[in-house]
Amino acid sequence: RKEVEQDPGPFNVPEGATVAFNCTYSNSASQSFFWYRQDCRKEPKLLMSVYSSGNEDGRFTAQLNRASQYISLLIRDSKLSDSATYLCVVNRGSARQLTFGSGTQLTVLP
Amino acid sequence: DTEVTQTPKHLVMGMTNKKSLKCEQHMGHRAMYWYKQKAKKPPELMFVYSYEKLSINESVPSRFSPECPNSSLLNLHLHALQPEDSALYLCASSPTSGGTKETQYFGPGTRLLVL
Repeated sequence: RKEVEQDPGPFNVPEGATVAFNCTYSNSASQSFFWYRQDCRKEPKLLMSVYSSGNEDGRFTAQLNRASQYISLLIRDSKLSDSATYLCVVNRGSARQLTFGSGTQLTVLP
Repeated sequence: DTEVTQTPKHLVMGMTNKKSLKCEQHMGHRAMYWYKQKAKKPPELMFVYSYEKLSINESVPSRFSPECPNSSLLNLHLHALQPEDSALYLCASSPTSGGTKETQYFGPGTRLLVL
């Protein structure tokens, strides 16, 4: 089983749609969870950290279910600029050892 | 300002060459990282430096040699690479807050081609 698994997509959605990404992780001792986005041929950029209580940042909502070892990202009112690959990231071992999921590709269509 | 800079942006080298990748940050972060990313794959951790000392080496071949001259700089020395080492090499840094969350900020990467 991979340490971090994501649905690779691609997800093609119209502008204004709501889209949800899921991620599962295998290490029950993991404590740090993030969503990064990566545009084509660019570096990963932090989208948001994920907290146990769930957290929201504008149109983005992240949820964590420790019991199921499951993380989600919800994007509301999708914009063209949201088109990117979304990477689910979880720590293993130390807080600094991050494992990236293989990413979910999102394309928002006009 | 969350900025990590890397030079060069692109590098082409032969298998017998020696080259170095450079990374710099001025955010006062005391942890710095090297990642390797192949096309259509996620980044993979190579090395972690904490307070200028190597703390994690993810079993990286010795043809990759990291160096941290000071708290702002991180180098990756390359020697006798193979064509399969062609990839995007990403540098990152994070504050050492001591908590469980240390957000890592990435530089734009060096795109390496080994011929």
